[in-house]
Amino acid sequence: AQKVTQTQTSISVMEKTTVTMDCVYETQDSSYFLFWYKQTASGEIVFLIRQDSYKKENATVGHYSLNFQKPKSSIGLIITATQIEDSAVYFCAMESGSFNKLTFGAGTRLAVCP
Amino acid sequence: EAAVTQSPRNKVTVTGGNVTLSCRQTNSHNYMYWYRQDTGHGLRLIHYSYGAGNLQIGDVPDGYKATRTTQEDFFLLLELASPSQTSLYFCASSDAGGYAETLYFGSGTRLTVL
Repeated sequence: AQKVTQTQTSISVMEKTTVTMDCVYETQDSSYFLFWYKQTASGEIVFLIRQDSYKKENATVGHYSLNFQKPKSSIGLIITATQIEDSAVYFCAMESGSFNKLTFGAGTRLAVCP
Repeated sequence: EAAVTQSPRNKVTVTGGNVTLSCRQTNSHNYMYWYRQDTGHGLRLIHYSYGAGNLQIGDVPDGYKATRTTQEDFFLLLELASPSQTSLYFCASSDAGGYAETLYFGSGTRLTVL
């Protein structure tokens, strides 16, 4: 069975610093896909970034990047130069085995302080 | 930009009550999903569908029925609501072009079962 674990319940950082959010996953499949989604204070959930398991290069989109460590089954989200509006809950998710079916982690709440 | 609309935004019912949550997407996506969000659990998949008349069982289906009447409309039914079903419910849709498609979420329905 697939499982996604986010151990950090909440993180607080100062504005303009870099933060890393951890995520580990379990799967028996050799090919899988990893995602990060963001839930804003209003409740809106939006897609941020994705990593395909067969790609060695870490994905980067804007000031979001991933630290993909396949041997450790780990996919960390790195946010550089954090902004107040990055304050949100971040969910790690995995698509593995079942087509178009995602398993989500419990989420990490990020607070960016001025 | 995909548009997913949920109704109602808030719903209060009593134990044993009958509730229908509605979801409509306007971008002709094939896949639609119902998730529930609870503190400590993240997003958990209840049911999903890859087209009108199709229904797939998710990870936490007990106590829920769903029906996909058209390409656009997906309904979640709670026929005998229980307090354990008090939660924030999200509908989402995705295209079926291949693996790892982005999910587009609605704004959520907060359900309280007294």
